[in-house]
Amino acid sequence: SAVISQKPSRDICQRGTSLTIQCQVDSQVTMMFWYRQQPGQSLTLIATANQGSEATYESGFVIDKFPISRPNLTFSTLTVSNMSPEDSSIYLCSVGKGLAASETQYFGPGTRLLVL
Amino acid sequence: GENVEQHPSTLSVQEGDSAVIKCTYSDSASNYFPWYKQELGKGPQLIIDIRSNVGEKKDQRIAVTLNKTAKHFSLHITETQPEDSAVYFCAASTGFQKLVFGTGTRLLVSP
Repeated sequence: SAVISQKPSRDICQRGTSLTIQCQVDSQVTMMFWYRQQPGQSLTLIATANQGSEATYESGFVIDKFPISRPNLTFSTLTVSNMSPEDSSIYLCSVGKGLAASETQYFGPGTRLLVL
Repeated sequence: GENVEQHPSTLSVQEGDSAVIKCTYSDSASNYFPWYKQELGKGPQLIIDIRSNVGEKKDQRIAVTLNKTAKHFSLHITETQPEDSAVYFCAASTGFQKLVFGTGTRLLVSP
């Protein structure tokens, strides 16, 4: 398994501002992902964080709104830009240690964001 | 793209009873099916997973079955305990480790 931490654990932000969320893993991993979980809803993949290159975004998510960095094999950040109340969600990072299509994926504790 | 449906949305059982949650998927190319348990205020925790070359997998009180022909898979929890109360999510992997999640089942186990 993997031990994953996220910072901050929660935040309350004003609309129009930006928040950067950090994800730290206790060991090197191949794959890192960012998910969004809207209140009372399921998880939706935002993007795959690629080490040393631009993230790969899913349909409906764009780099200008959710810029992602992954400078090394244990760390990634997700920024939620120009926030609106609709961005209030739990943001989760997950990791896969290998490259197999059926690799086990582990999730961090999440960052709970409320936008006023 | 892949679509995963999950039923029921809520499930209430008495302690000691069994609980079954069912999921169906649409993409026959999906080959990995994990189940996650999410407790209030926490991230999803992997509880069991199954790959497409296996029909059934068991881990103590938890089992998962997969029917590739019908494109459905199920989670079975036996001898339920109050600490099993949580939201359970099924998921299917469409490749490159991308997970598509079901809508979740809120399980409540009453003492």
